[in-house]
Amino acid sequence: DVKVTQSSRYLVKRTGEKVFLECVQDMDHENMFWYRQDPGLGLRLIYFSYDVKMKEKGDIPEGYSVSREKKERFSLILESASTNQTSMYLCASSSPGAGADTQYFGPGTRLTVL
Amino acid sequence: AQSVTQPDIHITVSEGASLELRCNYSYGATPYLFWYVQSPGQGLQLLLKYFSGDTLVQGIKGFEAEFKRSQSSFNLRKPSVHWSDAAEYFCAVANNAGNMLTFGGGTRLMVKP
Repeated sequence: DVKVTQSSRYLVKRTGEKVFLECVQDMDHENMFWYRQDPGLGLRLIYFSYDVKMKEKGDIPEGYSVSREKKERFSLILESASTNQTSMYLCASSSPGAGADTQYFGPGTRLTVL
Repeated sequence: AQSVTQPDIHITVSEGASLELRCNYSYGATPYLFWYVQSPGQGLQLLLKYFSGDTLVQGIKGFEAEFKRSQSSFNLRKPSVHWSDAAEYFCAVANNAGNMLTFGGGTRLMVKP
């Protein structure tokens, strides 16, 4: 089974702090994704990476950056956390396949910025 | 660009009753479509997916979905709901390259005893 793990289930930070969210997958997947989930808005893509050191902006990249130094690890960075970044953050991974790729999700990190 | 609409934000059904969750998509070509479920405190789990072929797709946990091109719909169904089905359900469509998903806003299902 594919396993995607996220470093924290719950995180509380203060406005202006630098925040790191870590994601690790164990299936040698090429693609990794960071989403944020807000009630009524579903999942919105922040960034994705299709290879080590490669990244592309998603729909809502403002205020975020990412890092992928190793294939299995994808980090989301909030350079200066703000209260409007309070949300659930979900990481996913996938590998190219026939048709469309199936994404596998981690359990999520619920971030509260005070 | 593709988009997904889930018209029902909340649905409540009685245990043992049938269920249908609606999903409408906007996409130019033949879509790749997915249904995911998120149980409380959990990440998303894939229920089923449609790529091509038979328009009625079977998934896990007794769920099925039917692709109807004429209606741009991919509705999720279950003949008899169990209390453990209470969760949030997301419909998604893939992009042209098949490597990125656009999600609907989700439908929260509550099950009455």
